[in-house]
Parts: sequence; C-alpha cells; structure tokens
Amino acid sequence: QSALTQPASVSGSPGQSITISCTGSSSDIGTYNLVSWYQQHPAKAPKLIIYDVTKRPSGVSDRFSGSKSGTTASLTISGLQAEDEADYYCCSDARQTLSNVIFGGGTKLTVL
Amino acid sequence: QLQLQESGPGLVKPSETLSLTCTVSGGSLSSNNHYWAWIRQPPGKGLEWIGTIYYRGSTYYSPSLKSRVTISVDASKKQVTLKLRSVSAADTAVYYCAREESFYDNSGYFHHGAFDMWGQGTMVTVSS
Repeated sequence: QSALTQPASVSGSPGQSITISCTGSSSDIGTYNLVSWYQQHPAKAPKLIIYDVTKRPSGVSDRFSGSKSGTTASLTISGLQAEDEADYYCCSDARQTLSNVIFGGGTKLTVL
Repeated sequence: QLQLQESGPGLVKPSETLSLTCTVSGGSLSSNNHYWAWIRQPPGKGLEWIGTIYYRGSTYYSPSLKSRVTISVDASKKQVTLKLRSVSAADTAVYYCAREESFYDNSGYFHHGAFDMWGQGTMVTVSS
C-alpha cells in the first residue's frame, strides 16, 4: 500500500499560519477518522500532536489543529514559532483485507 | 511517568536476524486499551510501521514485512521484542517502540489508533 502524500516542504514566517496536507484514499483517510500527526525534531523521536483527526493530546499547544475533508487530512499551525521548525508526519489506519498502518512521507517545515 | 527504552545490537550482518527489546517502565504494559508497536525510520527517510502486539499476545504485522517479522511480549518483564529475519542493508534504520491506542469496532474489526508515547529509538546498521 502506498504512503500517504504530503508536500516535501512548507515554510512560513513567525506569526503566520501554515497548512500541511495529507492525501490518502478511500481505503484509509476517506473511511476512518483515525488520522494522527507527529512532529519530529532532528535526532529526536516523533511526538504525537494530533489524533483522531482533530484531537490534541494534553500539553500540546492549541496552535496546532487538524481537519479532514474526503480523502485529505490537514494540519494547521497558527502563530508560527521558531521551535515549530521540524518534520511533520501524518498517519492513518488503513484496513483492507489485513490490518495496516500507513504514514505520509513527511513534510519539512521551515520557519523563515 | 511511562517510559519506553529500546535496546539491542547496533550492528547486524546481512542475512542474519535483527533482535531488539523494548522495556516499559513507570507504568503497566498490561493495559486494556494499549497496544505496543515497532516503527522504523531509515536514515533521512520517513516512518514505517512494522507491527503491533497486545499484552495477551495478539499480533498485527505490516503486510510488506510480515514474512520476516515476529513480535512477542513478556508481560512479567514488561518487555516487547522484535525479531526481523534475513536482514539486508535496506533494513538499516532507527527502530522505535511506541504505545498505540487501538481498538476493535462493533463489527469486530481491529483499528490502529495513534502512537501516543515513543521510545528514544535505537539505530541498527546492517553491514558485514
């Protein structure tokens, strides 16, 4: 099964908002509300920032928000800060005939 | 506070078996709502799910790796073990263990939820 499709890179200035898209199919994002997003700083483990499409774990800034339309999920970061510069990965449950999990290829966010 | 720690050899020869252990501390491995997963990340590349296990032993594997992977659990030691057979250079990666929020729906189908806690990861290089 192919990875979810994310832009390779996005950028924005401090204070601005950016959106990262994650496109899948009817076998994953289109069917299940089990999209999650992860933030990964260099040489660090990924950190969960959004789960079940729109929910934020305790302790995650409300500047991070998630949404979904059809087979595309989106992560929006508002009020960009320097520490938001990182790689971001989307992920979805993807059950066909067998249980599966698929990740997006990752998006490098640069804060200008 | 729950912590996950991966451990194992950093170098494995081609065609041999990669074996890693994830030790859970500061909390229970035997939680009803939590599963335990292995995820890997080749250098400079994205994340790849390897498989998931429940403390009672139920396993779910990536279709692309299923023929080479075995994940097992020792609840008394609070450890989850990954074995990947017949490795090649393509298996060189940072290997993470993670806690997974998953569930069965009303139709009895299993669904993978988010990975809400991660270990720091361990780098494994496959080379002779």
